Amino acid sequence: GAVVSQHPSRVICKSGTSVKIECRSLDFQATTMFWYRQFPKKSLMLMATSNEGSKATYEQGVEKDKFLINHASLTLSTLTVTSAHPEDSSFYICSAIKAGTSYEQYFGPGTRLTVT
Amino acid sequence: GENVEQHPSTLSVQEGDSAVIKCTYSDSASNYFPWYKQELGKRPQLIIDIRSNVGEKKDQRIAVTLNKTAKHFSLHITETQPEDSAVYFCAASTSGSRLTFGEGTQLTVNP
Repeated sequence: GAVVSQHPSRVICKSGTSVKIECRSLDFQATTMFWYRQFPKKSLMLMATSNEGSKATYEQGVEKDKFLINHASLTLSTLTVTSAHPEDSSFYICSAIKAGTSYEQYFGPGTRLTVT
Repeated sequence: GENVEQHPSTLSVQEGDSAVIKCTYSDSASNYFPWYKQELGKRPQLIIDIRSNVGEKKDQRIAVTLNKTAKHFSLHITETQPEDSAVYFCAASTSGSRLTFGEGTQLTVNP
């Protein structure tokens, strides 16, 4: 199989604080990971593409200083939402592509972030 | 960049009927077209995908067709069941790169 986990599954934080979300590929190495945001009843919107050992590529309109992405190993990428505000409340989902393959993305279970 | 449009946004069918969801894409370089089923609060689940070198693919009650010339692809679900009720997303990408998703279709299968 190809299993991707995310931690935490749910987090509630106060406005102005920072939150870190981890995305791990459990049984494969992932050279590329993606971070998506999904608002209620909306589609998945790509935030950034993360390649192991290099800086993330952010989509237009996504603030790289607010959404810090680190892909330090072939099995772990992290997304840190800095100085979170209520409008950052959303469902954050990561995905990963197996090293050596080029098509299918394996999705994590998502993290529900609520900023109060 | 790529733009994917999906129709309809909602679809209600009777159990046993067929359901068809259609998507169009804009980037002729796209060569991978997956379809996902997402239940509320869950991760997207890949149900079928097709690459640009194939025109049709079938897996039991689910089939996907691709028309590269017209840049559209469709999902066909036959003999629908209540457990097929969910949101379905189409997507397009070039290999190894970002997925661009359609806006989703809420499918309801009425018993």
